Amino acid sequence: GQQVMQIPQYQHVQEGEDFTTYCNSSTTLSNIQWYKQRPGGHPVFLIQLVKSGEVKKQKRLTFQFGEAKKNSSLHITATQTTDVGTYFCAAGANSKLTFGKGITLSVRP
Amino acid sequence: KAGVTQTPRYLIKTRGQQVTLSCSPISGHRSVSWYQQTPGQGLQFLFEYFSETQRNKGNFPGRFSGRQFSNSRSEMNVSTLELGDSALYLCASSYRTSGTNYEQYFGPGTRLTVT
Repeated sequence: GQQVMQIPQYQHVQEGEDFTTYCNSSTTLSNIQWYKQRPGGHPVFLIQLVKSGEVKKQKRLTFQFGEAKKNSSLHITATQTTDVGTYFCAAGANSKLTFGKGITLSVRP
Repeated sequence: KAGVTQTPRYLIKTRGQQVTLSCSPISGHRSVSWYQQTPGQGLQFLFEYFSETQRNKGNFPGRFSGRQFSNSRSEMNVSTLELGDSALYLCASSYRTSGTNYEQYFGPGTRLTVT
């Protein structure tokens, strides 16, 4: 199966700072998905990337799929307290997703 | 459209008992996947049903089983509960975007505590 790694598992930023996290795989991925889970909540689908080098933006969030389709990044510009939560990347096919361990982001106001 | 619904939201069971969890997917979605989430192991895939057939299966013991009905609603069953089965069980409703690429939408989960 497709394995994805997210390191580190925790990151603390000051409100207004930018934040970038990465998702890495040793194998070529068919796609990569990103989810956000707020404390006490459930994972919420953010984006799916399929093409090599693909870049997608959602307001202050920018997602990128690597040229070799072995890694992906999530960049948040000017973090806000509403950005707190755990961000997961996931990869797979036919609805069988393998999730990374996630990175928990905390934002100091 | 209404989102994915799961019942019950919370459950407390005793070791050795069995439990059935229910999931209703988003209308029109034919694929339903189940995941177990624990602090130690993270999100782990249990199985996926599509048109009443199990299409994918994760690495869980046979005590974990599921089924899907003709209206796409799904149930998962855990028999002979163990303390380690305490977890958040998440159901995800999926639709195909292209090829083998799917977007998944999760329900709120069922928090199972085994004592």
